[in-house]
Amino acid sequence: GAVVSQHPSWVICKSGTSVKIECRSLDFQATTMFWYRQFPKQSLMLMATSNEGSKATYEQGVEKDKFLINHASLTLSTLTVTSAHPEDSSFYICSASPGLAQGETQYFGPGTRLLVL
Amino acid sequence: EDQVTQSPEALRLQEGESSSLNCSYTVSGLRGLFWYRQDPGKGPEFLFTLYSAGEEKEKERLKATLTKKESFLHITAPKPEDSATYLCALRGSNYKLTFGKGTLLTVNP
Repeated sequence: GAVVSQHPSWVICKSGTSVKIECRSLDFQATTMFWYRQFPKQSLMLMATSNEGSKATYEQGVEKDKFLINHASLTLSTLTVTSAHPEDSSFYICSASPGLAQGETQYFGPGTRLLVL
Repeated sequence: EDQVTQSPEALRLQEGESSSLNCSYTVSGLRGLFWYRQDPGKGPEFLFTLYSAGEEKEKERLKATLTKKESFLHITAPKPEDSATYLCALRGSNYKLTFGKGTLLTVNP
């Protein structure tokens, strides 16, 4: 089956620093990648959608200057949390899809746990 | 606005006790209803995609069905390793996935 990897799996950083999370589709080309955030015992919240070679589309309420997304190739997207604060601590999950037509499944990475001290 | 409601929020079963999880939805232009399994501290694992009413899919002890208003995930003779949170999500006309809050399934030996 399709595999999506994320790195790192967990990260602890000091308040005010920036953290980069990588998301890779290992065995397929992902024209579209998604970034989600999940709080304890809650469902996934979509943060942004990115298409290869174009700017990401952010959901309402998500600060684009704080959560920088780059989709540089068909297999790699990165999320950079800039000037992280304790309230940014969360579980970040990326997802990749070969496309969005009917029949295209969205596959998820294993997630990255971020703790900002 | 697309909406997904899952019930129950939590379900405890004894090993071998079959049951069903419900996902009711409203959507404009269904482009797929997805079932995922999520273990604690991990990303969702894809189980099934359904597209049209009447469609059914099976995988081991799991069977997913779809009507115009809801989907069911039937679990036959569950085992403790089936314990997880099961998420239902739908893709509507905006191509984004809308998730339900999930059903936490616990299967006791």
